[in-house]
Amino acid sequence: EAGVTQFPSHSVIEKGQTVTLRCDPISGHDNLYWYRRVMGKEIKFLLHFVKESKQDESGMPNNRFLAERTGGTYSTLKVQPAELEDSGVYFCASSHRDRGSPLHFGNGTRLTVT
Amino acid sequence: AQSVTQLDSHVSVSEGTPVLLRCNYSSSYSPSLFWYVQHPNKGLQLLLKYTSAATLVKGINGFEAEFKKSETSFHLTKPSAHMSDAAEYFCVVSLTGRRALTFGSGTRLQVQP
Repeated sequence: EAGVTQFPSHSVIEKGQTVTLRCDPISGHDNLYWYRRVMGKEIKFLLHFVKESKQDESGMPNNRFLAERTGGTYSTLKVQPAELEDSGVYFCASSHRDRGSPLHFGNGTRLTVT
Repeated sequence: AQSVTQLDSHVSVSEGTPVLLRCNYSSSYSPSLFWYVQHPNKGLQLLLKYTSAATLVKGINGFEAEFKKSETSFHLTKPSAHMSDAAEYFCVVSLTGRRALTFGSGTRLQVQP
């Protein structure tokens, strides 16, 4: 089966610009997660979708971040306007609806804000 | 609240020698515990998980971890390191009933020839 796909793999933007990250989960996975790792820090949870609904968005840092999953398939994470501290690696993961199913992670998008 | 502490940011071993990556957790409830590995420019891959069925958990690539409740530890071991084991390893905890994972800060494993 195809794994979790993230696009782009790298993005370099200037402070104040907008960037949209995309995640395509494994087909049939209802759960979709976004995590990020800011330079030198731990990987932190951002939010969790079950199909198209936001189940838990307690990790979203502020209202400059907007995540969507229209139709319950792929998801986008938009940062608008980007700030320097948003630089890091953004990971997407997906899993089956069954509790205890392992998360499958994508390779991440490395975002650099200059 | 839950947290996880990886005691070493870097570990270096020689090929063929044992690997020990240390992890301590803090959780008010029965946690699920995981070890993930990330090779350069790759996604995070699940090595193994503990969900209370057995305290000694065997994972992929010869890795295993032992859950010790009295010590609140979940250390990752492998009897003999291989060059391909060089990567960053993450100890991860999840509260029962909550999907969000809490990651440790990671341990970078170097394997010397």
